[in-house]
Amino acid sequence: SQQGEEDPQALSIQEGENATMNCSYKTSINNLQWYRQNSGRGLVHLILIRSNEREKHSGRLRVTLDTSKKSSSLLITASRAADTASYFCAYGVTGNQFYFGTGTSLTVIP
Amino acid sequence: NAGVTQTPKFQVLKTGQSMTLQCAQDMNHEYMSWYRQDPGMGLRLIHYSVGAGITDQGEVPNGYNVSRSTTEDFPLRLLSAAPSQTSVYFCASSRPGQGHGELFFGEGSRLTVL
Repeated sequence: SQQGEEDPQALSIQEGENATMNCSYKTSINNLQWYRQNSGRGLVHLILIRSNEREKHSGRLRVTLDTSKKSSSLLITASRAADTASYFCAYGVTGNQFYFGTGTSLTVIP
Repeated sequence: NAGVTQTPKFQVLKTGQSMTLQCAQDMNHEYMSWYRQDPGMGLRLIHYSVGAGITDQGEVPNGYNVSRSTTEDFPLRLLSAAPSQTSVYFCASSRPGQGHGELFFGEGSRLTVL
């Protein structure tokens, strides 16, 4: 299976704290992306990092990529209750296929 | 723009029945794909298409057929539904010429097979 893994599976933090979630994958990739899914909804794209990049920022999001370890992390700073959702990494491999990680469920307590 | 539209949102089938999940996008995206999402499993790729007339299998294609006769539509067919196909199905599309760009998702179709 090409499916990636994420940890932790679930994360509960207080509002204002930072949230970090990690993704590991198994193959060479072209890029890695992070998506957010609110309960019962479709996925929404958050940020994309290319395989030749090591770190990328977007607002309160910071993504790192270590291709030697086949891993990525997503940091959400100064979390808000509205950040409560599931977060998935996704990576593009050759042949136009995208594979997803198993997801991290984040709960931000007001 | 409507983006990616999936129908139906909910469906209950009996084992052995067939049905088609519809997916349409109005963004002129060449790349379209179908995923299934099961608890604790994340999203798994079923089939994908890089343009009209071109389809290919993903990670879990068995029991599903697809076709791509137009750029806009990418229906997913279940030929003989099985309880193992109970899942939430998502259709996604991507920008022209960028098979590894941002994916745009529909709101999902929740299928229950009894």
